[in-house]
Amino acid sequence: GESVGLHLPTLSVQEGDNSIINCAYSNSASDYFIWYKQESGKGPQFIIDIRSNMDKRQGQRVTVLLNKTVKHLSLQIAATQPGDSAVYFCAENIPQGGKLIFGQGTELSVKP
Amino acid sequence: DAGVTQSPTHLIKTRGQHVTLRCSPISGHKSVSWYQQVLGQGPQFIFQYYEKEERGRGNFPDRFSARQFPNYSSELNVNALLLGDSALYLCASRGQGGMNTEAFFGQGTRLTVV
Repeated sequence: GESVGLHLPTLSVQEGDNSIINCAYSNSASDYFIWYKQESGKGPQFIIDIRSNMDKRQGQRVTVLLNKTVKHLSLQIAATQPGDSAVYFCAENIPQGGKLIFGQGTELSVKP
Repeated sequence: DAGVTQSPTHLIKTRGQHVTLRCSPISGHKSVSWYQQVLGQGPQFIFQYYEKEERGRGNFPDRFSARQFPNYSSELNVNALLLGDSALYLCASRGQGGMNTEAFFGQGTRLTVV
């Protein structure tokens, strides 16, 4: 069935360290991928996206890597800060119908 | 510019009742999608509307329906509420492309069915 899965449900890092959150997707037709951050009681917040014709995209302190061969995405956060503590979701875009398929999420906890 | 706005923010309903949730997309965005997020899980796709037409539907029963208005705002309706409908309902707005562009979410409507 359709699914986007995350390898690690929880991740705890020290402030200042780099964080890597991984995600596996299942649909070869997915053309676009988005990472979201969701804090408690809030809606998902767009972080960074990547199209299927790219392997890497960088933002401010964040990098997304896409490996289509093994259907794998990762989100790298540099110099993780306490404000980065949240649940992170990857989502794959299904071209027909504009549907986003989300994974379960990884909870990132940053220790000061 | 205002982001995606949803109303109400919280709602308590009784089993069997009907509910209407509302969403206003980002100005200039013509695509609105609805998602259901139960506690501890990722959002699940319910509907997508683009230019006032339904363009996608997720695996939800017919009790769920939606529509998009000429100003691109949208309503999600749920009939005959069940306890299992308790969730955070999210609305997402997408830009001109509609299908494979950034999707920005509102803060959600927390629905509790008792």
